[in-house]
Amino acid sequence: AQSVAQPEDQVNVAEGNPLTVKCTYSVSGNPYLFWYVQYPNRGLQFLLKYITGDNLVKGSYGFEAEFNKSQTSFPLKKPSALVSDSALYFCAVRDRNYGQNFVFGPGTRLSVLP
Amino acid sequence: DTGVSQDPRHKITKRGQNVTFRCDPISEHNRLYWYRQTLGQGPEFLTYFQNEAQLEKSRLLSDRFSAERPKGSFSTLEIQRTEQGDSAMYLCASSSDRDRSHHEAFFGQGTRLTVV
Repeated sequence: AQSVAQPEDQVNVAEGNPLTVKCTYSVSGNPYLFWYVQYPNRGLQFLLKYITGDNLVKGSYGFEAEFNKSQTSFPLKKPSALVSDSALYFCAVRDRNYGQNFVFGPGTRLSVLP
Repeated sequence: DTGVSQDPRHKITKRGQNVTFRCDPISEHNRLYWYRQTLGQGPEFLTYFQNEAQLEKSRLLSDRFSAERPKGSFSTLEIQRTEQGDSAMYLCASSSDRDRSHHEAFFGQGTRLTVV
């Protein structure tokens, strides 16, 4: 069975500082990995994905993430946080070889303080 | 607008009533998903369609829930005899397997259901 863990309910960071939002996953096969962001009362907005190739992937709004197969992790990073990055972030996994549904983590609330 | 569209955005209903939600996916997308999200939680998978075929259903989808995608385009999710525990945001998403560079799902803005 697939699962995603986001061990931090909340991450606080000062504007201009680097941010990291943690994610670990479990799948029986090889993963497709995704990050989504959700603003209040809105649907999920796609940020970036790892499918194959380079472990470091870049996405929207200056976000990036690094796939680490040995640690089964896919942390979301940004070199310099903005107040407007404050939102709920979800990591998701899809098993390449089993099913088509996306399994989401519980989410991490990011607060960027001015 | 070429995004995923959901209707209505909000629904308040009395316990025991039936409700139906509609989702219009991105037009060229052949895959369609329904998820449920409660406050402070991540989205939980409900069901998945490939074209008009419902290929996966979660155990969360009790017999009071039914979903259809009759022509492989829009989809409906019906909840019969609603209960207060059904109060949640219902999210629809779509994706395509026709382009090997695309694997992500695109989400609509959701339908927020409140059962009173």
